Amino acid sequence: EVKLLESGGGLVQPGGSMRLSCAASGFTFTDFYMNWIRQPAGKAPEWLGFIRNKANGYTTEYNPSVKGRFTISRDNTQNMLYLQMNTLRAEDAATYYCARMYTTDPYFDYWGQGVMVTVSS
Amino acid sequence: DVVLTQTPPTLSATIGQSVSISCRSSQSLLDSDGDTYLNWLLQRPGQSPQLLIYSVSNLESGVPNRFSGSGSETDFTLKISGVEAEDLGVYYCMQATHAPLTFGGGTKLELK
Repeated sequence: EVKLLESGGGLVQPGGSMRLSCAASGFTFTDFYMNWIRQPAGKAPEWLGFIRNKANGYTTEYNPSVKGRFTISRDNTQNMLYLQMNTLRAEDAATYYCARMYTTDPYFDYWGQGVMVTVSS
Repeated sequence: DVVLTQTPPTLSATIGQSVSISCRSSQSLLDSDGDTYLNWLLQRPGQSPQLLIYSVSNLESGVPNRFSGSGSETDFTLKISGVEAEDLGVYYCMQATHAPLTFGGGTKLELK
């Protein structure tokens, strides 16, 4: 059974940093692109970026809205996905999801349950 | 960025009623490889979004066949043929043809 479990959320001050983690299980982690998506309360989701699979060299792509502040990485030995977020702003407050992207077509077939990030002083 | 405009924003339906949701794109979603990467997701209250339909009209495994998708280029439709109570929530269209990937604003389906 495919499972994605995010952790690491909570309260952070404006200007601070936070790292989110996503533990993956139930599938061959290195075969898949992995994504981060966020959703402010009551709003639509926003795609943040992905890290490609082994066949595509684990390279990354980002939404310009967060490029330069957010970094996606993965530990393939531990089946872990990470999102490093720096210089956080109030508008970064949201529920953050990791999601698996299907191998041959670009859609998210599995999502984690999400982790909440609050940015406030 | 590609803007996806969903209508209506809210949809009231009775159980058994058939409904449609529209998603219009600011650019053609036909990819250079010939596919159109327009997907539909449902987010039930308190849950993560889940995939219903991918590439316009392909039903994700396990999704009931009362859901169907159609459209091309810039105009897409999700139809539910006979709403059931478990279908209530917010529906999102999402495009993956152009970077960055973007989502529509959502359509909330509620009981009349």
